[in-house]
Amino acid sequence: GAVVSQHPSWVICKSGTSVKIECRSLDFQATTMFWYRQFPKQSLMLMATSNEGSKATYEQGVEKDKFLINHASLTLSTLTVTSAHPEDSSFYICSARDQGRMNTEAFFGQGTRLTVV
Amino acid sequence: GESVGLHLPTLSVQEGDNSIINCAYSNSASDYFIWYKQESGKGPQFIIDIRSNMDKRQGQRVTVLLNKTVKHLSLQIAATQPGDSAVYFCAETISGGYNKLIFGAGTRLAVHP
Repeated sequence: GAVVSQHPSWVICKSGTSVKIECRSLDFQATTMFWYRQFPKQSLMLMATSNEGSKATYEQGVEKDKFLINHASLTLSTLTVTSAHPEDSSFYICSARDQGRMNTEAFFGQGTRLTVV
Repeated sequence: GESVGLHLPTLSVQEGDNSIINCAYSNSASDYFIWYKQESGKGPQFIIDIRSNMDKRQGQRVTVLLNKTVKHLSLQIAATQPGDSAVYFCAETISGGYNKLIFGAGTRLAVHP
């Protein structure tokens, strides 16, 4: 099946710093990627839809200036958590769907565990 | 986000028994549904999908049932094994690669020997 690679798998950063998470589709092109956030023992909550070559679409309640998304190529989207605080500590997961194949499942990265200290 | 962040309910079963995990979806316009399995610290893995023109689909040891009238999905796992222990999520979307996938609340499956 298609592979989505996410990097890093975990990161620890100090409060006030910014952290960038990368999401790559390895064997297909993805004009659209999705970023999720997951707190312990909870479901995945969609944060934003990343669109190649245009602005991301953010879900209600998600601060676009806090979570910067860049989708500069057909295989790479990045999420930057700016001025991170401890409450931003969470599991961040990206996904992509192969636009070359209609009606397929979304493939997920392995997730990034962010801890802000 | 559109997914409600509820704490996960747990389904406990004995090894070898059949498991049934239920899910309610929210959007009557959704026409494509997917079940995912998530192990601790990992991203979700595809299990099985179903389109709205079907009410049942079978895979290897798994069956998904769709009831559009009451917006309900179920995942049946036959002869549950310890390796099936994980969190299971249903997800809904409208067909087309650009449309977002919205996750249900999830259920933790615990398989006991």
